[in-house]
This record gives sequence, structure tokens and C-alpha cells, in this order.
Amino acid sequence: GENVEQHPSTLSVQEGDSAVIKCTYSDSASNYFPWYKQELGKRPQLIIDIRSNVGEKKDQRIAVTLNKTAKHFSLHITETQPEDSAVYFCAAPLPGNQFYFGTGTSLTVIP
Amino acid sequence: DSGVTQTPKHLITATGQRVTLRCSPRSGDLSVYWYQQSLDQGLQFLIQYYNGEERAKGNILERFSAQQFPDLHSELNLSSLELGDSALYFCASSVGRGSYEQYFGPGTRLTVT
Repeated sequence: GENVEQHPSTLSVQEGDSAVIKCTYSDSASNYFPWYKQELGKRPQLIIDIRSNVGEKKDQRIAVTLNKTAKHFSLHITETQPEDSAVYFCAAPLPGNQFYFGTGTSLTVIP
Repeated sequence: DSGVTQTPKHLITATGQRVTLRCSPRSGDLSVYWYQQSLDQGLQFLIQYYNGEERAKGNILERFSAQQFPDLHSELNLSSLELGDSALYFCASSVGRGSYEQYFGPGTRLTVT
């Protein structure tokens, strides 16, 4: 996307290990940071999001952290399971403006 | 099921033709977004409508157009189709016009031969 860079593009982890995906955005006006999971052949699904007034948010095995100063946010998945294998997309939309997604990270969890 | 519906699920057509993709947002959602996803590619933002009016425009080709009707359903029109337009087209809806949670439909897979 034009406003956000996502790394890595591919990630393989052993089942039970943690996975971290990072996104960097350019416009400090961004105030909402969602993460979407897309399984093969299916629709993207919102899995977690964070707003700029919060530094961290957790939901069971997934968490998102935000560093506004450095303009980056990360998705953390702990105790990974094979069903976590999917493509993950971040976004850093500008309020009332284009909604650009990152280029995606293909996560493979090896049983 | 996200509550967003898209029709048709699959569409096969020839180069030079015109097609219309339809999206119905979740009940109560006023914004509709359209995205294009080519094979092994990311989600390319095309256009957003809010309560019937165009809100934001992305990398949408001039051959493509969209609109949102009074009942809030939206249509994406693709004309003079080229082989490169073959892709999965998603629509998503959200409550408001700002940076709100988006819920995606199942997509329409367009194949141009």
C-alpha cells in the first residue's frame, strides 16, 4: 500500500513458537490500525485492531503493539497452531481517505 | 458469515465485455469499499462510498466505475475488460465513513478469457 510497509513477506514457524509481523506507516495522521487474516480462497477477516490512544491490545493468543513515535505496529501470535497458517494484512488508513493495506505476510505453521 | 453479500460468486467473460458486480452491506453499515485482489497479490483499494456518495478513490482504472444506491447496495462496473482484470473482487462494509472496522463479503471471482 502507499502508506504502509509490511515485513516479512513470508514467515515459517514451528507449531508452538511465536510469530511477529511488523508494519511501518508514513503518515502520523493515521489513528486506526487493523490486522486481517485471509485463509486460502476466503475473505479477509478482521482479527484485531488498535487505535492510536492505546499502546497494546491482546485477545487470547494474538496481540498488537503500537509505537506511534517510530510509526510502526506489530502483530504477535503466541503458541502458534497449524490453523494460524494464512496471509495476514495490516492497514494504516488515513481518516476519511484511501484505505491501503500492506502487501501481506504468508505465515506457515509447521506441525 | 460477515453479513456482507456479493453476487455473482463467479463470472467468466471475454475481453472487451462489460460486467457488473453487486454488493449488499451489513445491515446498518453506511460505507462500502471495493478491492481488487489478483492472484497471489495483496488487496488493492479501488473506491469507497458513504451513504450514497463517493468518499475516497484509490487506484481505480477509468474503465471501472461504481455507485451506491439509496438502499445502500453498491455496484462495481468493469468495462472494456482485459485479461489483466481477472481477479477476485471484494467489497467490504463498515458503519461509518472514517477508519472503522471493515467486514468483507465472500468476493466475486472474475475470469476474463
